[in-house]
Amino acid sequence: GQQVMQIPQYQHVQEGEDFTTYCNSSTTLSNIQWYKQRPGGHPVFLIQLVKSGEVKKQKRLTFQFGEAKKNSSLHITATQTTDVGTYFCAGRTPRGSNYKLTFGKGTLLTVNP
Amino acid sequence: EADIYQTPRYLVIGTGKKITLECSQTMGHDKMYWYQQDPGMELHLIHYSYGVNSTEKGDLSSESTVSRIRTEHFPLTLESARPSHTSQYLCASSPGGTLIKNIQYFGAGTRLSVL
Repeated sequence: GQQVMQIPQYQHVQEGEDFTTYCNSSTTLSNIQWYKQRPGGHPVFLIQLVKSGEVKKQKRLTFQFGEAKKNSSLHITATQTTDVGTYFCAGRTPRGSNYKLTFGKGTLLTVNP
Repeated sequence: EADIYQTPRYLVIGTGKKITLECSQTMGHDKMYWYQQDPGMELHLIHYSYGVNSTEKGDLSSESTVSRIRTEHFPLTLESARPSHTSQYLCASSPGGTLIKNIQYFGAGTRLSVL
């Protein structure tokens, strides 16, 4: 079945440092979504990428979708303490259900002030 | 913020009890999901529904059952709770339709502890 790998599992940074998490799929994806879950909270949708090679930015966050649509990354520039949380990628395969997501295991980001 | 509600937020219960976790959404979404998540860990899909009277088991086997009699309501039931059921249960919904619209909106979750 489809697998979505996410690395690293944990990342601890000093405030102001950059952070990147990577997502890799065993199969080509129709789209990739990114969610953020604050400690004790629930996942909240951040962004969706659909096109091959797509790059989207949200303030200090940059999201990329690979040319082969099998990998994606989330990069945070100059982290802040408000960035703390677990970042999940989630994708769908073209032949899979339109409505089911396969989530990566997530990357827990902690930021030292 | 999405209009999807879960009750109770926290539940501590003894082994063998029957419990129902409630999930309701007011967005008219056809698609609803239940995930199980241990603290700091990955999300496991345990049930999903494409619409009224439609329910499917997810990727992770679960002893729980679900029903979808109304669009807005997707309760999860455990007939006999056990300590191994201790976890957080997250409900989500999505509008369905085109790929672009298939964003999942999560409820705040129910943290279940079975003693």
